[in-house]
Formats: sequence, structure tokens, C-alpha cells
Amino acid sequence: GENVEQHPSTLSVQEGDSAVIKCTYSDSASNYFPWYKQELGKRPQLIIDIRSNVGEKKDQRIAVTLNKTAKHFSLHITETQPEDSAVYFCAASRWDSNYQLIWGAGTKLIIKP
Amino acid sequence: EAQVTQNPRYLITVTGKKLTVTCSQNMNHEYMSWYRQDPGLGLRQIYYSMNVEVTDKGDVPEGYKVSRKEKRNFPLILESPSPNQTSLYFCASSSGTTRYEQYFGPGTRLTVT
Repeated sequence: GENVEQHPSTLSVQEGDSAVIKCTYSDSASNYFPWYKQELGKRPQLIIDIRSNVGEKKDQRIAVTLNKTAKHFSLHITETQPEDSAVYFCAASRWDSNYQLIWGAGTKLIIKP
Repeated sequence: EAQVTQNPRYLITVTGKKLTVTCSQNMNHEYMSWYRQDPGLGLRQIYYSMNVEVTDKGDVPEGYKVSRKEKRNFPLILESPSPNQTSLYFCASSSGTTRYEQYFGPGTRLTVT
């Protein structure tokens, strides 16, 4: 079955710098890749997603890139701010999997002032 | 307001005492799911439901039961809770047909002593 690995488990960056979180997946048939953000004590919320027919997607300071050949996708956050501090989860899914998301273990992003 | 609600939010119980955590969504979503979240293990799926009367096991179903008698409700039942079920539980829902975004409830923190 599908397996999603996420790295690093913890990432500390200076405010204003960029942060990159990477996920690899095993099932080449996976075609949907969302990223969720979970702030401390709160529920996970979708921040951006990408489908396999697109190589990159941007939304203001966040972007996701997908390399289907290498089976990895990454979350990029530019000009990091204190409110970016959270745990970020990647996930993968395929169209015929009953909407099942296979989750990465999460990355704790710490923004240093 | 579109939302997923869970009750109770916090629960401390003893080993073997049956409990139910309720989950309700008002978005007419077909897909609903239960996750548990433990430090370092990310989100692990317990059970999911594609529609009324249709449920299936996730990755960690042992010790849990669910039912889906109505589209809006998806309760999680622990018939005989044990300490290893101490965790943070999230219910989530998704339309599944046009959008894959999962909307999470606020979470239920369960402690079994």
C-alpha cells in the first residue's frame, strides 16, 4: 500500500527566511497531494493542495511542487512569520482509493524571532 | 456556519467503561472519518464511512466501533477502553465528489486510566 514519508520532523528557521518541507510517496498512482497546517491546540486545516497534472501551485507565500518521476512533493513557505509556527502534514491519495488520505508523520515548524 | 462538531471535547474515564464520542457535520458531506493523533505518529485513521450504512476499517480499528445511521452523524464507540487508547481524536468530513478537502472537528482529548 501507499506510504508517505515526511522530512524533517522538526524545522527551525529565522523569521523572514524560507522553509521547505519534503514528502516522498511510494504509490505511483497517487494523484492528489494536500498539505494541512495544525496550530497548537487546534484542528488540522487544508492550506494548499496539488494534483498530479500540475507541477507547481502557489498561494501567496506558500507553494507546493510535485516531482512525479521522483515521487516527491514539497511545501515551500517564503518570508516566514511567527504565525507560520505549526505542525504541517502532507498526505497523498489516488482517485480510486475512496478518498483515503495517507498521511505523513508531520513537521513541527518553529519560527525564531 | 459550516462545521464539524465533536462531543465531548475532553474526557477522562476508567478502563472498561464504555464511551461514545459524537461527531456531527452540517455540510451534507458523504465521507466521514475518525483519526487518532499521538505524538510522533501523526494522524492515523481508525474508521471511515463513504455514506449512510457504509463503513470500513482504517489503519488502527482495533478496540473501536462506528456507525453511520444518518448522513450527518458518525459516532465513535469504545466498548471497553484501555489506557493505550488515550489519545487526541479527530472527526473529519469531506464531500468527496467535487472536493477532497477534509474538514476536521475540534478534537476530543481522551484519557483512560
